[in-house]
Amino acid sequence: EPEVTQTPSHQVTQMGQEVILRCVPISNHLYFYWYRQILGQKVEFLVSFYNNEISEKSEIFDDQFSVERPDGSNFTLKIRSTKLEDSAMYFCASARPGDYGYTFGSGTRLTVV
Amino acid sequence: AQSVTQPDIHITVSEGASLELRCNYSYGATPYLFWYVQSPGQGLQLLLKYFSGDTLVQGIKGFEAEFKRSQSSFNLRKPSVHWSDAAEYFCAVHSGSARQLTFGSGTQLTVLP
Repeated sequence: EPEVTQTPSHQVTQMGQEVILRCVPISNHLYFYWYRQILGQKVEFLVSFYNNEISEKSEIFDDQFSVERPDGSNFTLKIRSTKLEDSAMYFCASARPGDYGYTFGSGTRLTVV
Repeated sequence: AQSVTQPDIHITVSEGASLELRCNYSYGATPYLFWYVQSPGQGLQLLLKYFSGDTLVQGIKGFEAEFKRSQSSFNLRKPSVHWSDAAEYFCAVHSGSARQLTFGSGTQLTVLP
């Protein structure tokens, strides 16, 4: 069964450093998403991406965040200058056109120290 | 704005017993509703989804859910729980055109032998 692959599974970074979280969506999917889950809290929407541009973003997704699809397979989330409160599990997801049931990756646990 | 409430933070059942996890949503239009399961260290796996039509939907792993518009509910059920069902379960609603999932806070399921 096709999977959404996320790397790394766990990343520890120092406050103020830049991090890039990587995702390989399912190959025939056209919609891409990032969600995050702070420990003990709800899964929250960050951003959706379609046709090489952001289609929607939440208030969490401020100027410190950016997304990119640098080639035909990868989808990345960059946090420019990490803060302690960015520590969370970050999930990538993708979906086919017309399919509202996303496929999620297994997540990247980001720890900012 | 849409919202999802899962009233039960933690549920414990014995193996072989029946299970019902509650989910209430708030959304102005016809909702797209989902149940996801998250095992420890794993991503979010789609159990089932409701878009329209038959209000009783079948999913994977023997789960089903019933959409009740009058009660704004989408409860998840399983007739006989297995130890491997121990996980966290999330109900989510889709905002249609925005393609953004709003999650409930989750219900942690413990299965006793």
